[in-house]
Amino acid sequence: ETGVTQSPTHLIKTRGQQVTLRCSSQSGHNTVSWYQQALGQGPQFIFQYYREEENGRGNFPPRFSGLQFPNYSSELNVNALELDDSALYLCASSSQGDGYGYTFGSGTRLTVV
Amino acid sequence: GQQLNQSPQSMFIQEGEDVSMNCTSSSIFNTWLWYKQDPGEGPVLLIALYKAGELTSNGRLTAQFGITRKDSFLNISASIPSDVGIYFCAGRLPGNEKLTFGTGTRLTIIP
Repeated sequence: ETGVTQSPTHLIKTRGQQVTLRCSSQSGHNTVSWYQQALGQGPQFIFQYYREEENGRGNFPPRFSGLQFPNYSSELNVNALELDDSALYLCASSSQGDGYGYTFGSGTRLTVV
Repeated sequence: GQQLNQSPQSMFIQEGEDVSMNCTSSSIFNTWLWYKQDPGEGPVLLIALYKAGELTSNGRLTAQFGITRKDSFLNISASIPSDVGIYFCAGRLPGNEKLTFGTGTRLTIIP
C-alpha cells in the first residue's frame, strides 16, 4: 500500500509568480485535504476535495485554488505569490466515513523570494 | 487562522522520564487526534479519540478525550530518543471536514 506522495519536495519562486503543487493520495482514499504550515506553527486547513469538488475551505484567499482528478490525485495552485506564502504545504488523504484516518504526505517546502 | 492552545510549548527531559502535554479549545470537538512530526516530514497519526472521556493507549502513549470535549491530553511513558520531535493535537468540529491543529509541543531529550 503506497502512502501519500507530494511533488516537488522543494521549490523556490519569485513574488508574483504562480505555482502548482501535486499530491497522489494513498491507495483506497478518495478525499484530499491541503494544509499550509508556516515555520514554527501547526498546519492550517486550506481546503478539501471529495469526488472532484471542493468540500470545505479554510480562511485562504481565492488565489489558492485546487483540483482533484478521477484517480483522486490533487493539485494546489497558488497565483500571485506573496512572501508570506513561504511555508510547508501538506497534502492529506482520507476515505470519507472511515473515522478520519488522515494520512499526510511529507510536504512541499515553498520559498517565495 | 485558529489554532488550539497547546502546552507546554517545549519540553527538555532526560531519557526514561514520563511526558505530559495537553491541548485546550474554546470550541467543542467530536474528534481529537494526536500527531508527531519529525523534521522534513509530514505529521504522523499517533492516537485518535472519538468519544468524550475516552482513554486510548498506543504502546507507551496514552491520550484522553476530555469530558467537556474542549480538551485532550497526551502522556508518553519512559521516553526514548526516538520520541524527539514536535507533537500536535488536532480537533474536528461536528459536521466539519477540516482539522484544527494546536501550536505544537517540541520534545527534546537531554543526554
